[in-house]
Amino acid sequence: DQQVKQNSPSLSVQEGRISILNCDYTNSMFDYFLWYKKYPAEGPTFLISISSIKDKNEDGRFTVFLNKSAKHLSLHIVPSQPGDSAVYFCAASGSNFGNEKLTFGTGTRLTIIP
Amino acid sequence: DTGVSQDPRHKITKRGQNVTFRCDPISEHNRLYWYRQTLGQGPEFLTYFQNEAQLEKSRLLSDRFSAERPKGSFSTLEIQRTEQGDSAMYLCASSPSAVLSYEQYFGPGTRLTVT
Repeated sequence: DQQVKQNSPSLSVQEGRISILNCDYTNSMFDYFLWYKKYPAEGPTFLISISSIKDKNEDGRFTVFLNKSAKHLSLHIVPSQPGDSAVYFCAASGSNFGNEKLTFGTGTRLTIIP
Repeated sequence: DTGVSQDPRHKITKRGQNVTFRCDPISEHNRLYWYRQTLGQGPEFLTYFQNEAQLEKSRLLSDRFSAERPKGSFSTLEIQRTEQGDSAMYLCASSPSAVLSYEQYFGPGTRLTVT
C-alpha cells in the first residue's frame, strides 16, 4: 500500500517559469512532510519541510503548501533554474510513530528546459 | 566535509556471498537510519538506531540482514547469502535527537549489484 503518492513520474518546465510538484498521502497519522531532491549517484538532499500545523512554508525560491483536508501537498519552485533538474521525493512522518522514519513517494523527475 | 559518508560506493558480488556496508553519520547525530532504494521507487525504511540501540526493523529486513551500531557512532549493514533481489541502492541517514526533529541527512549510498 503506497501511503505517499507522486502521480507524475516526470515534469518539464521552461527556465524562469514556475515548477509545481504534487504529492498525496493516505495515512492521517502523518503530521510532518518533507521534500528531498536527488541528483544521479548522490543521496537525497533535504530541501524544505512543513508541519501539519501550518499550510505554507517558504524558503527562497521554494514554497511548500499543505492541504490537510485533501491530504495533498505541493512544492512550488519559482523561478525554475537549470540546476533544479533532478528527481524530487515527497516524504512524510508522524510524531506518534516514535522513530520519525520517513515514508517516501516514488519521485518526480523535473527537467528544466533552458 | 562533515556529512554522512558510506563505504563502499559500489559493490558487485556473486549470489550467495556475504557483503558488509559501512555508514559514518554526522558526528553529533544520535539517530541513524538505513533505507533501500530500488529503480523507480523512493527509499524504503529498513531499520533505525538511537545511539547503539536498534529500536525498529522493517519487515523488509529478512533474517539474512543484520545491522549494528556498536559504539553509537558508525553503523554496519551485513547481508548474508545475497540474492539477486538484494540488488539496490542502500542509503544511510542520520538526524539529531532533538524533539520532533524530522529532517534526515543522507549519505551518497552504496549501490549493490548481485550477479
